[in-house]
Amino acid sequence: GENVEQHPSTLSVQEGDSAVIKCTYSDSASNYFPWYKQELGKGPQLIIDIRSNVGEKKDQRIAVTLNKTAKHFSLHITETQPEDSAVYFCAASQSSYGKLTFGQGTILTVHP
Amino acid sequence: DTEVTQTPKHLVMGMTNKKSLKCEQHMGHRAMYWYKQKAKKPPELMFVYSYEKLSINESVPSRFSPECPNSSLLNLHLHALQPEDSALYLCASSHTGDLETQYFGPGTRLLVL
Repeated sequence: GENVEQHPSTLSVQEGDSAVIKCTYSDSASNYFPWYKQELGKGPQLIIDIRSNVGEKKDQRIAVTLNKTAKHFSLHITETQPEDSAVYFCAASQSSYGKLTFGQGTILTVHP
Repeated sequence: DTEVTQTPKHLVMGMTNKKSLKCEQHMGHRAMYWYKQKAKKPPELMFVYSYEKLSINESVPSRFSPECPNSSLLNLHLHALQPEDSALYLCASSHTGDLETQYFGPGTRLLVL
């Protein structure tokens, strides 16, 4: 089955800096890659996603890049703010019925 | 409205109890999911319902029994659980399931004594 590795496990930045989280996947058939943000006591919330026919997608301060040849994708957050502090999960999916395989998560802390 | 609701928010149960978790969405989604999340770990898929039929069971022990009474509701019946089943149980839904955004509820935090 699919295996997703995510790095780093923790990331600490100063407010205003950029943050980058990287994921690699094993199944070349995977073609949908969402990123979720989970705040304490809440369920994961989608922040951005990308499909395999697209190399890059941007939404305001958040961008995702996908390299299908290398089987990795990355989340970029610019101009970080303290409210960006949360756990971020990448995921990959290639099957019907929407089965997602998650990475292990990155705890992002943005210091004011 | 992109809201998935779950009840109860917290649940404490003994190993001999029977309880149920409930999930509801009114987005017209036809795929619904149960995930289990342990502390500091990612969500792990348990079950997927597609058009009210069970389409994926990730080899979940029979002490967990899912039910989808209609397209808006998803239940998870719990019986004879073990302490290691203590976790956050998340429900999610998506339009039809294929390569689409999954919307998660806030979860039910379960403690098995």
